[in-house]
Amino acid sequence: DGGITQSPKYLFRKEGQNVTLSCEQNLNHDAMYWYRQDPGQGLRLIYYSQIVNDFQKGDIAEGYSVSREKKESFPLTVTSAQKNPTAFYLCASSVPGNSPLHFGNGTRLTVT
Amino acid sequence: AQSVAQPEDQVNVAEGNPLTVKCTYSVSGNPYLFWYVQYPNRGLQFLLKYITGDNLVKGSYGFEAEFNKSQTSFHLKKPSALVSDSALYFCAVRDDGGSQGNLIFGKGTKLSVKP
Repeated sequence: DGGITQSPKYLFRKEGQNVTLSCEQNLNHDAMYWYRQDPGQGLRLIYYSQIVNDFQKGDIAEGYSVSREKKESFPLTVTSAQKNPTAFYLCASSVPGNSPLHFGNGTRLTVT
Repeated sequence: AQSVAQPEDQVNVAEGNPLTVKCTYSVSGNPYLFWYVQYPNRGLQFLLKYITGDNLVKGSYGFEAEFNKSQTSFHLKKPSALVSDSALYFCAVRDDGGSQGNLIFGKGTKLSVKP
């Protein structure tokens, strides 16, 4: 079945460590997105990529980095510069235009 | 600037009763509007969208939404609620001049349907 796979589902890290969240899709979608979800705040866009080897900052990109070397993959690195990294991270993909986003099941990151 | 508001943090409904989850928006151009649902510890699932055309949009699982341009609203409705409809609902909007990267989500409304 086609879809988006995020791994791992739960991730625990010590403060000061960088951590990379995986996002893979087999939907052949050109565009991919990373969102952060905090209770009561909805979803906020971190980065998005509309094509391989290109990506743009979203509303809260500080402390995060991404790469888009392959169409299927859009990994997100949470760096030690991110002040409050504990959150639920959602990856999504879409085709261009007015199509809805397809979401993965998320990675819950806890940093202590 | 674009914005979307979901004025109710939580909506409580008895099973079998109609439900409404409210959404209002602000965009500079014509709005593209979406509703998504999220079950605990899962990603968001698409319910329905309004791009253009008929103001009443029908979507998945018996949900529908009515686009009201004068009131800048896009409320989600269902004639008869099910306990399984209990979840977190998100409204999202962007204007027709932007891309999906410009999609703005509301803060979400928790729907609780009691037997």
